[in-house]
Amino acid sequence: GIQVEQSPPDLILQEGANSTLRCNFSDSVNNLQWFHQNPWGQLINLFYIPSGTKQNGRLSATTVATERYSLLYISSSQTTDSGVYFCAVGYGNKLVFGAGTILRVKS
Amino acid sequence: KAGVTQTPRYLIKTRGQQVTLSCSPISGHRSVSWYQQTPGQGLQFLFEYFSETQRNKGNFPGRFSGRQFSNSRSEMNVSTLELGDSALYLCASSDGTDVATNEKLFFGSGTQLSVL
Repeated sequence: GIQVEQSPPDLILQEGANSTLRCNFSDSVNNLQWFHQNPWGQLINLFYIPSGTKQNGRLSATTVATERYSLLYISSSQTTDSGVYFCAVGYGNKLVFGAGTILRVKS
Repeated sequence: KAGVTQTPRYLIKTRGQQVTLSCSPISGHRSVSWYQQTPGQGLQFLFEYFSETQRNKGNFPGRFSGRQFSNSRSEMNVSTLELGDSALYLCASSDGTDVATNEKLFFGSGTQLSVL
């Protein structure tokens, strides 16, 4: 099966700092999505990005499918960015999630 | 548009019982998929339904089953509950046809199941 690895596992930032989260996958995938899970458990879709670069406000994402990785950039972080960030890839007939990056933004 | 609605929000059951969870997708979405989230195993794909047919299935035992109705609402059933079934169960809907290929997913708030 496919391996989906996210790094770093944990990240603590001061409000206003920038960060880069990484998702590596071990095989070719059909799609890739980034999600944010807030402290109440709600999963929010941030990006559907099988390839290329997308931006949405302070967030942007880049997927280089040929090199099997994706990056999520968070600029000028805010305390509301805290939570867990997951990447998920479509592989075969399943959606496979990484273990997530826990982000804590301190004020 | 209303989001994805899952009921109930919390559920407590005992070993050996069965449980049914409900998911109402976003209006117009015909694909519903289910996921189990635990601290040890993370987020795992259970299955996906489209137009009342199971399209894709994860690696879970037959105790986990589901169905989808003509209005796209979906139910998930777990029979003969085990302690290890305690988890947050999430459903997601999309306007695509296959969760593994071309869909942007929208998740509900989940059902927290505790098995005692």
